[in-house]
Amino acid sequence: SAVISQKPSRDICQRGTSLTIQCQVDSQVTMMFWYRQQPGQSLTLIATANQGSEATYESGFVIDKFPISRPNLTFSTLTVSNMSPEDSSIYLCSARRQGRTDTQYFGPGTRLTVL
Amino acid sequence: AQSVAQPEDQVNVAEGNPLTVKCTYSVSGNPYLFWYVQYPNRGLQFLLKYITGDNLVKGSYGFEAEFNKSQTSFHLKKPSALVSDSALYFCAVRDDWVDSNYQLIWGAGTKLIIKP
Repeated sequence: SAVISQKPSRDICQRGTSLTIQCQVDSQVTMMFWYRQQPGQSLTLIATANQGSEATYESGFVIDKFPISRPNLTFSTLTVSNMSPEDSSIYLCSARRQGRTDTQYFGPGTRLTVL
Repeated sequence: AQSVAQPEDQVNVAEGNPLTVKCTYSVSGNPYLFWYVQYPNRGLQFLLKYITGDNLVKGSYGFEAEFNKSQTSFHLKKPSALVSDSALYFCAVRDDWVDSNYQLIWGAGTKLIIKP
């Protein structure tokens, strides 16, 4: 299994500011992902964080709004830029080693509130 | 198209009774099926998965799930529910014919409430 930590665990931010969320995995993984989740609802994939190259974004998400870094095989960051109240959500980091049968593990999440 | 359905938004069970959380799926190729649990204010925890082999899969916390290919289902079960099992449960599927980083397709989630 993989143990994933995220920082911060929660934050309250002002409209128009940016927040960077950090994700650390305790072992090297090939795939890292960022999800968004409204409380009590299902997960929406924002992007796949690719090591050494630009992230792959899902429909409805763009790099200018959600820039992602992945400098190595254990670490990634997601920035939520120019925030608005609609960005209030739980942001989850996830990782998987490589194979299509491998289990995907999740961090504890970052609860973001934008005022 | 790939999809996962969890037909029940909420399931209520009395403590000590058996519980079932339903999941059905639709994929083009062979399904890889997963169950996760999310406790309040926590991330998702992996419970169990079906890849191949025995249709009955055993996982964490006494949970098990049965893969039924003809009914395209993967229902989560536990023989005797605990109050501490109360949480949000997600079913997810990966389609081995779809080459898009083998993304997981998620169900909407089922809230399980175990009453003492």
